[in-house]
Amino acid sequence: VQLMESGGGLVRPGGSLRLSCVGSGFTLSHTLMTWVRQAPGKGLEWVGHIRSKTEGGTTDYAGPVRDRVTISRDDSRNTVFLQMHSLNVEDSALYYCTTETPGGRKYYDTSLGYSLYEYYSDYWGHGTLVTVSS
Amino acid sequence: EIVLTQSPATLSLSPGERATLSCRASHSISGHLAWYQQKPGQAPRLLITDASNRAAGIPDRFSGSGSGTDFTLTISSLDPDDFAVYYCQQRYIWWTFGQGTKVEIK
Repeated sequence: VQLMESGGGLVRPGGSLRLSCVGSGFTLSHTLMTWVRQAPGKGLEWVGHIRSKTEGGTTDYAGPVRDRVTISRDDSRNTVFLQMHSLNVEDSALYYCTTETPGGRKYYDTSLGYSLYEYYSDYWGHGTLVTVSS
Repeated sequence: EIVLTQSPATLSLSPGERATLSCRASHSISGHLAWYQQKPGQAPRLLITDASNRAAGIPDRFSGSGSGTDFTLTISSLDPDDFAVYYCQQRYIWWTFGQGTKVEIK
């Protein structure tokens, strides 16, 4: 399983950018695909995700970007996109795409009150750098 | 929005020592908590899901506990490879990360 992001670069404040994440070794539409960003020297920030086809393919977004980003998927290209508009300097960051796949048996945990798998494996791309500057 | 507060910000320990990292949620999140490790120049690595389940390939010196609002990541005996930044992440309502705890060599 591999993920590879692209599309980052230098953009002026107010500009737009579309990031891509291509998957190999697995079918991207079968899993939850997530975008996470990290500003230089800062912590991790969840941007949003798109659910698998079986879960409806719906999207969720973090508050600071909710009105300015759209996550979509092209199943024929096994690719997820992050479209960003009205970019500002606070959007400058390394943008990662990531996913997890379940493993082992599925079981119901009575203390948690929901079903889960024995373990999960995570996969990350190397990230694509977005710099918003005039 | 659910806010996660990690403590301490920095933990200075020696190899072989036990590390205890805390994560507190602003609202109850049941067991919907994950822990990640990140080293400089690398993508994060999933350690724990659902508060206490180790991810694939994670050594058993890493353990997670807690539910509701208070969670703990314990590294039973620090290996030189474990010095890194650790983040908790809630998955109860959307996703958010804590600000991170840096585990550094004393």
